[in-house]
Amino acid sequence: ETGVTQTPRHLVMGMTNKKSLKCEQHLGHNAMYWYKQSAKKPLELMFVYSLEERVENNSVPSRFSPECPNSSHLFLHLHTLQPEDSALYLCASSSTTTLGGRSGNTIYFGEGSWLTVV
Amino acid sequence: AQSVAQPEDQVNVAEGNPLTVKCTYSVSGNPYLFWYVQYPNRGLQFLLKYITGDNLVKGSYGFEAEFNKSQTSFHLKKPSALVSDSALYFCAVRDIGGANNLFFGTGTRLTVIP
Repeated sequence: ETGVTQTPRHLVMGMTNKKSLKCEQHLGHNAMYWYKQSAKKPLELMFVYSLEERVENNSVPSRFSPECPNSSHLFLHLHTLQPEDSALYLCASSSTTTLGGRSGNTIYFGEGSWLTVV
Repeated sequence: AQSVAQPEDQVNVAEGNPLTVKCTYSVSGNPYLFWYVQYPNRGLQFLLKYITGDNLVKGSYGFEAEFNKSQTSFHLKKPSALVSDSALYFCAVRDIGGANNLFFGTGTRLTVIP
């Protein structure tokens, strides 16, 4: 039990499908993240929400659309994906003391959602 | 710009022997450094971090890491390896701006041989 729960754990979708990944954190944090983990590559930060406001979008294609309805929930909406988008998608959360400030607070990860695009 | 380098893709060590997983970093200002471990088909688990203070940081499962400012390194160590320590290890550095996101190395796969 990590305190960060991701569903589904495994997802197979076609390139024309629309699906969503869900993340919920039970740690009382106020920042949430989506990371992408592909083989042989460093973890890539996709999106960051702090105090429910999106503060980072690292040039992610528009076929990925995040949603953060409150500080405990984070979604990643997927549509018209490509096979190269197949990867492990990791949700994470942390406390953030100041918006835009650096903090020593630890980021805690969920178990990940394995996505395969066919 | 901040970055992390893990020079070894793979480290093999015999059970009971000491282990070291290397990490060097580049960051503006004082670094905030982290180690995470990933077991097969699992997410990343936090092991330890250096923010300030004592250069030797102790973490979960008997792991420790030594911050060396002059060598810009933060190597992960354990005095006696267990087979169950076999996993993928990631070093990470906090950036200055943004909302506290981490920059990760490419990971080092540790195999402990019985």
